[in-house]
Amino acid sequence: GDSVTQTEGLVTLTEGLPVMLNCTYQTIYSNPFLFWYVHYLNESPRLLLKSSTDNKRTEHQGFHATLHKSSSSFHLQKSSAQLSDSALYYCALSAYNNAGAKLTFGGGTRLTVRP
Amino acid sequence: NAGVIQTPRHKVTGKGQEATLWCEPISGHSAVFWYRQTIVQGLEFLTYFRNQAPIDDSGMPKERFSAQMPNQSHSTLKIQSTQPQDSAVYLCASSLVGSQNTLYFGAGTRLSVL
Repeated sequence: GDSVTQTEGLVTLTEGLPVMLNCTYQTIYSNPFLFWYVHYLNESPRLLLKSSTDNKRTEHQGFHATLHKSSSSFHLQKSSAQLSDSALYYCALSAYNNAGAKLTFGGGTRLTVRP
Repeated sequence: NAGVIQTPRHKVTGKGQEATLWCEPISGHSAVFWYRQTIVQGLEFLTYFRNQAPIDDSGMPKERFSAQMPNQSHSTLKIQSTQPQDSAVYLCASSLVGSQNTLYFGAGTRLSVL
């Protein structure tokens, strides 16, 4: 079945430094949809960004990610971390583009940004 | 739009007791999902419904977990004979046709089994 791997469970950064959270996936489907969800403390998880286009950069709220099918990766990046970026980040995969296709999530990466 | 509503927010049960978790999806959304969130497993898929019909329950522990969607406005997840390892945050999400699989999550129910 599908799987998503986030290699870092915990990432601690100093404010202003770049952010990179790793995400790789496995699926038999040739056109997967990849997502990053962010879960802030005391809030509901919500979509940060998504992509299904190979080698195209997707950006939202200062974060960006590029789907690379050749390496099955969808790493999340930001040029300069802010204190408010501290949260739990999940990478997810879906094989289909329709409502009612389940998302397979990775184990999550907890990002802590310190002053 | 109130978003996905989950009740209760917190539930404490004793080992062996039953727990029922409720979810009200966003009106008009055709799919409802249940996930379990733990530190070790992350977001673990349990089951989902499309247009109220059960589609995939491959993530459900078969013996004690069950889910229903009796109408388009709510879904329930029932855990019989709860065990300490069932302690987790249970998240419900819904999605809309044409939304490219964007899931809208509720705030979750934190289940603690003592």
